[in-house]
Amino acid sequence: AQTVTQSQPEMSVQEAETVTLSCTYDTSESDYYLFWYKQPPSRQMILVIRQEAYKQQNATENRFSVNFQKAAKSFSLKISDSQLGDAAMYFCAYRSEGNAGNMLTFGGGTRLMVKP
Amino acid sequence: KAGVTQTPRYLIKTRGQQVTLSCSPISGHRSVSWYQQTPGQGLQFLFEYFSETQRNKGNFPGRFSGRQFSNSRSEMNVSTLELGDSALYLCASSSGTGWAREQYFGPGTRLTVT
Repeated sequence: AQTVTQSQPEMSVQEAETVTLSCTYDTSESDYYLFWYKQPPSRQMILVIRQEAYKQQNATENRFSVNFQKAAKSFSLKISDSQLGDAAMYFCAYRSEGNAGNMLTFGGGTRLMVKP
Repeated sequence: KAGVTQTPRYLIKTRGQQVTLSCSPISGHRSVSWYQQTPGQGLQFLFEYFSETQRNKGNFPGRFSGRQFSNSRSEMNVSTLELGDSALYLCASSSGTGWAREQYFGPGTRLTVT
């Protein structure tokens, strides 16, 4: 079974600064997808960024980028130019490509606080 | 397109009762997944339905069940409620096919068992 670990329960960053959230995972599969989800205090989870394991190039979405290290099974999220609206719980998630299902395995989450 | 909707948003039940939660996916989406979110256990996968068939199931007791209708709307049922079932229940919909298969989450149903 796959496991996802987020070792930072809480992080804080000054507005306009950069912060990196860590995620490690364990799997014996070679094909899979990794995701970062954001859950603001209103609770609706939204997808921030995704990475296909077979792609070596790190994914980027505007101010959000990842550092994907497949051999190390590490998948960190970097948020540049942090904004107050970035304050939320961030979840790292894994999805196998081996089956046709959509089951996501989540990490425990990191609460990000943004200081004005 | 309208997003994923879940009803009710809040629910209070007594131990031993049963409860039914509803999820309406984004139009055209055939896959609906359910997750339980608690402070202690985090986000855990319950089950997924695709075209009215259960495609995956998480490690939950048989008291947790679900179904999907022909219009892709899904319900989950919890029988004989226990205090530990208090949680935020999230559903997510996706097209269910293709390599992307991005999942869109609903706002959740907050269930409190007293």
